[in-house]
Amino acid sequence: KAGVTQTPRYLIKTRGQQVTLSCSPISGHRSVSWYQQTPGQGLQFLFEYFSETQRNKGNFPGRFSGRQFSNSRSEMNVSTLELGDSALYLCASSEGQGSSEQYFGPGTRLTVT
Amino acid sequence: QKEVEQNSGPLSVPEGAIASLNCTYSDRGSQSFFWYRQYSGKSPELIMFIYSNGDKEDGRFTAQLNKASQYVSLLIRDSQPSDSATYLCAVSPFSGGYNKLIFGAGTRLAVHP
Repeated sequence: KAGVTQTPRYLIKTRGQQVTLSCSPISGHRSVSWYQQTPGQGLQFLFEYFSETQRNKGNFPGRFSGRQFSNSRSEMNVSTLELGDSALYLCASSEGQGSSEQYFGPGTRLTVT
Repeated sequence: QKEVEQNSGPLSVPEGAIASLNCTYSDRGSQSFFWYRQYSGKSPELIMFIYSNGDKEDGRFTAQLNKASQYVSLLIRDSQPSDSATYLCAVSPFSGGYNKLIFGAGTRLAVHP
């Protein structure tokens, strides 16, 4: 099976702009989770989607949002970008029922200037 | 107190030795436990998961879980230089496919020839 794919791989944005990141899970997986990784805070959970519904949410401001489509692909959006949003954004795919193992994509490296 | 704690390292072991990586967690209700390996510049790779008290072996890797002591460990036998990476311990308050992982800061392992 193909792994988790994320696009774009690299992104440079300016403060105040918004950005949309995309994730395609492993075929057959219905759960997609998003994480932010920074040197200072490590890996932090943003949110999880299962069958187009947000099932879990982390402690991030409302500027961070996401959605999932009927084919399980997911997008996350960050509005009004801040310098502190510079990070590696990781998407993880899981079957979503009965199995909690999550498999990460390669990530999107976002730089906010 | 951090929810998931790991010694940041580096843990330096000679080639062929056993590397022992440790992790403690604060939420006594945690249900699922994972070990990820992350090479520099890459995304985390799932290498072990464990849900029940005791040991679980997979090749050169053994995961150990002690819920009473809120402790999970990873043993790597016959360590190789290619094992040099950061090892992330992750804990989930859920089971059965609900996905939210709380990560430790990671332990950097260096295996020297």
